Amino acid sequence: DSGVTQTPKHLITATGQRVTLRCSPRSGDLSVYWYQQSLDQGLQFLIQYYNGEERAKGNILERFSAQQFPDLHSELNLSSLELGDSALYFCASSLTGGGTGELFFGEGSRLTVL
Amino acid sequence: DAKTTQPNSMESNEEEPVHLPCNHSTISGTDYIHWYRQLPSQGPEYVIHGLTSNVNNRMASLAIAEDRKSSTLILHRATLRDAAVYYCILKAFNKFYFGSGTKLNVKP
Repeated sequence: DSGVTQTPKHLITATGQRVTLRCSPRSGDLSVYWYQQSLDQGLQFLIQYYNGEERAKGNILERFSAQQFPDLHSELNLSSLELGDSALYFCASSLTGGGTGELFFGEGSRLTVL
Repeated sequence: DAKTTQPNSMESNEEEPVHLPCNHSTISGTDYIHWYRQLPSQGPEYVIHGLTSNVNNRMASLAIAEDRKSSTLILHRATLRDAAVYYCILKAFNKFYFGSGTKLNVKP
């Protein structure tokens, strides 16, 4: 158990819909990262937050947005969903945002868009 | 942006050492080299990281080339539970890049 909690574990929805994925980082971790993993693909970095502020942005679509709340949990919002958005979405947390910080990953949220 | 290159797959026999290579020719001085592995149906888990010197922990060893343009993850005695996708990652403040990963198959 990494200590990172992601909900929901599975989500099935239709094209055009909007979903929210939630992540609770490990206790004490200030940084949250979101990744997307499509079928048999590597992990694509989406976005990073540190103590409530956006710190780095990767290949995140404009239809996607995220935020980190004062209690440090984070939400990833996916809107106008397309079939290609079906993927595993992982959240990871670390104590800091720096290079030495070990990332702790959650078990992922599997999104299926029909 | 610094990238990493890894072989798509490797195979090893159980109880034998495994050397997983990673090329990162555009690494910058502030990039740490991290290795993670992803077991089937699980999130990635941390294996080891280093900056310039070789590193050892209970899971593996990390050998870093003197010019830091490549590194090797060493599993000293592969077990069936080590079958996973291994990712080599460059991580600096706010920046980190996953490679394509190496799928390690361990034969009994």
